[in-house]
Amino acid sequence: EVQLLDSGGGLVQPGGSLRLSCAASGFTFNYYDMSWVRQAPGKGLEWVSGISGSGSSTYYADSVKGRFTISRDNSKNTLYLQMNSLRAEDTAIYYCAKPMTPVTTWFDNWGQGTLVTVSS
Amino acid sequence: EVVLTQSPAILSVSPGDRATLSCRANQNVNNNLAWYQQKPGQAPRLLMYYASTRAIGVPARFSGFGSGTEFTLTISSLQSEDFAVYYCQQCNNWPPWTFGQGTKVEIK
Repeated sequence: EVQLLDSGGGLVQPGGSLRLSCAASGFTFNYYDMSWVRQAPGKGLEWVSGISGSGSSTYYADSVKGRFTISRDNSKNTLYLQMNSLRAEDTAIYYCAKPMTPVTTWFDNWGQGTLVTVSS
Repeated sequence: EVVLTQSPAILSVSPGDRATLSCRANQNVNNNLAWYQQKPGQAPRLLMYYASTRAIGVPARFSGFGSGTEFTLTISSLQSEDFAVYYCQQCNNWPPWTFGQGTKVEIK
């Protein structure tokens, strides 16, 4: 059974940093590109960042480019999101998401989400 | 960037009735469109991919249609567990992968 366990969220001041983690199990992690998707309180879904299975390619939404860094450790089956220069508008639940197959990009497995609150 | 516009924002439906949700793209996404269902406090659940293929475990009362720029998700006879928010997502032109703003299906 595929499991994605998101962690690392919390309360941080504007301008601060936070690192999110997603521990994966139940599938061959390095075969799959992975993504982070966020949802601000009461709002819709926003794709934030993605990374190839090898980690050699990374992708970012314009809203986080230059501030967030996605990475992965395939030896630990873990996905990361380093978030720097955080703003109030980054407040959201952050989900890691796995595509249905290694060659598709719709997400059939999601973590439970971790809440990031940026506030002074 | 592909912009997806969902309509209506809120759909009030009685249990047992049919619900039709719309998703429109501002450029051609072929059939590379997915639908998700999200209930309060839960992560999204994949319902449909390739516009019309049901994901594993999705009941047959859910059906998807469309290609290009116009898509619909139909729930033939709404059950109590179907009241939720529904999002479309395009997977044709990326990055970024983009979502619609959602349609809330509520009890009438």
